[in-house]
Order: sequence, then C-alpha cells, then structure tokens
Amino acid sequence: GDSVTQMEGPVTLSEEAFLTINCTYTATGYPSLFWYVQYPGEGLQLLLKATKADDKGSNKGFEATYRKETTSFHLEKGSVQVSDSAVYFCALSSGAGGTSYGKLTFGQGTILTVHP
Amino acid sequence: SAVISQKPSRDICQRGTSLTIQCQVDSQVTMMFWYRQQPGQSLTLIATANQGSEATYESGFVIDKFPISRPNLTFSTLTVSNMSPEDSSIYLCSVLDRSQNIQYFGAGTRLSVL
Repeated sequence: GDSVTQMEGPVTLSEEAFLTINCTYTATGYPSLFWYVQYPGEGLQLLLKATKADDKGSNKGFEATYRKETTSFHLEKGSVQVSDSAVYFCALSSGAGGTSYGKLTFGQGTILTVHP
Repeated sequence: SAVISQKPSRDICQRGTSLTIQCQVDSQVTMMFWYRQQPGQSLTLIATANQGSEATYESGFVIDKFPISRPNLTFSTLTVSNMSPEDSSIYLCSVLDRSQNIQYFGAGTRLSVL
C-alpha cells in the first residue's frame, strides 16, 4: 500500500537558517504530493503541492520538487522565521479510482521549532 | 478554498458517554473525510462520508463506535460512542476539492476522555 516517510524530528533551528525536511514515498501509479502545516492549536493548512514529476510546489518561501526517480518530495526554505514553528506533514494522494480516490496518506509529521 | 467549521472545538468527556462532532462547509462538496490524530501522532483516516451513501470505514474503525451522518452536501457529523481514555485525540474533518484534488481541513475537535 501507499506510505510516506518523513525525517525524524524534532528539528530546532535559529532564525534565518536553512531548512530541509526530507520526505520519501511509496505509491502505485502517479500520486499527487502535498505538504501540510499545523500551527499550534490549529488544524491542517495546505502549504504546497505538486501533481507530476519535476513539478515544483512553492508557497510562503517554502519549496518542494516532485522527484519520481528518487520518490522524494523534500521541503526546503532558505531562511526560516520564528513564525514557521509548527508541525509539517508530507502526504500523498494516489489518485487511483474507486474507493481510494481522494484519500490522503500522511507521514508521521516533523516538529519544527525556530528560535530567535 | 473551502471554509470548514467544526464544533465543538474541544471537550472533556466522561468515560462511557458519547460525543457528536459537527462539520459544516461553506460550499457543496461530494466527499468529506474524518480523521483522528492521537497525541503526538500523524493523522489516521477514520472514514469517507459521501452524501447519499453509507460511510466507508477504514480498517480498525467500525460504525458502531464511530457512526457518521451525511445528510446533505454541506454537513456531516461524527459520533464517538462509549468513550474511553484511549479515544482522547484530535478529530478533524476535511473536504475534497475535486477540481484541484486538494483536501481542506477544519480546525479540529480536541477531545479528552477522563
């Protein structure tokens, strides 16, 4: 079945540091890939997505590139801020028809803490 | 994007009781989902709720424990029945924007069972 593996957390960085959160996946077919962010006490918000190989999703300074050859979708940001402190989830939607359509498979989440 | 309201936002319940969580969306959607997020864990899909049909439950979740209603295209409820402390979690609903294949989430219901 589909699965998503994220790098172990928590990740602690100083403000303006470079961020990478690794994400690899296993899926049948051609999944869509997502990064969601969960700020303290809130629900999940879509951060970015990519729907096919070599697509780059970007939002709020975050980027991730859909790498089919390495089955990866690593999240990066060049300069993090204290306000980026949150839990980040990598997820995939297999896009298959039938009962699997629309379902998301999530990674375990990575806690990011950014210090001033 | 869809705007999703969940009620209650949090609750503290006694063992053996039941809680019904409401999910209201500001537009008509076909597919809604219910997830559970146990403390410090990722999200696990409980069931898919499509209007006009019975909810489809994932392995490990049963209708007697988590009955779901989907009376129309903008509303759904999830009931957590006969609660135990192990049911303490965040419960989230989401809706699927089929045109973009994106799920939008409510803020969640934080449930503590004593």
